[in-house]
Amino acid sequence: EAQVTQNPRYLITVTGKKLTVTCSQNMNHEYMSWYRQDPGLGLRQIYYSMNVEVTDKGDVPEGYKVSRKEKRNFPLILESPSPNQTSLYFCASSTFQGWTEAFFGQGTRLTVV
Amino acid sequence: DQQVKQNSPSLSVQEGRISILNCDYTNSMFDYFLWYKKYPAEGPTFLISISSIKDKNEDGRFTVFLNKSAKHLSLHIVPSQPGDSAVYFCAATELTGNQFYFGTGTSLTVIP
Repeated sequence: EAQVTQNPRYLITVTGKKLTVTCSQNMNHEYMSWYRQDPGLGLRQIYYSMNVEVTDKGDVPEGYKVSRKEKRNFPLILESPSPNQTSLYFCASSTFQGWTEAFFGQGTRLTVV
Repeated sequence: DQQVKQNSPSLSVQEGRISILNCDYTNSMFDYFLWYKKYPAEGPTFLISISSIKDKNEDGRFTVFLNKSAKHLSLHIVPSQPGDSAVYFCAATELTGNQFYFGTGTSLTVIP
């Protein structure tokens, strides 16, 4: 089954404690990206990756890091989380570029206290 | 600054009637547009798309209209069904670009 898998689904952490949210896709997609969803702001793109070892900033990259060492995986790293990073995060993948339909993971609800 | 806007946070429609969801954008370079549907506790799923060379695209009960001069697109659902109750996001991108821009979403409720 074609899918994008994020882990964990829910996470509560404390300010400053480094964390990683994993994302894996089984569709051999070149393009992967991370979004955060906040009330009244919709979905905002954090980072995206065109292919292995190629990543770039989206609209709201501050406070986040990503890596793309393998085609299937695109982890999101928060080196020093802060309360304003409390949000619902989605990973997505698609073929070629973002102008084809993207497949989204089920989301990670992150709370930073 | 929000480049894609959905000015109606919510919409209620009777089952069987038409649902019209609207989306406006400010960047004239956008030339590809998509609609996604999102149920609670799930990720968004792709619904329908349209490129700027068209002004209409249909897929079953779903039709997207694009008015480039007004920088406006709309999603029509006919007839609306209770299972259509979800949050709908429009998204835009440039064919030569790599970024997606999403609207704030419209929560549709279809009343049986």
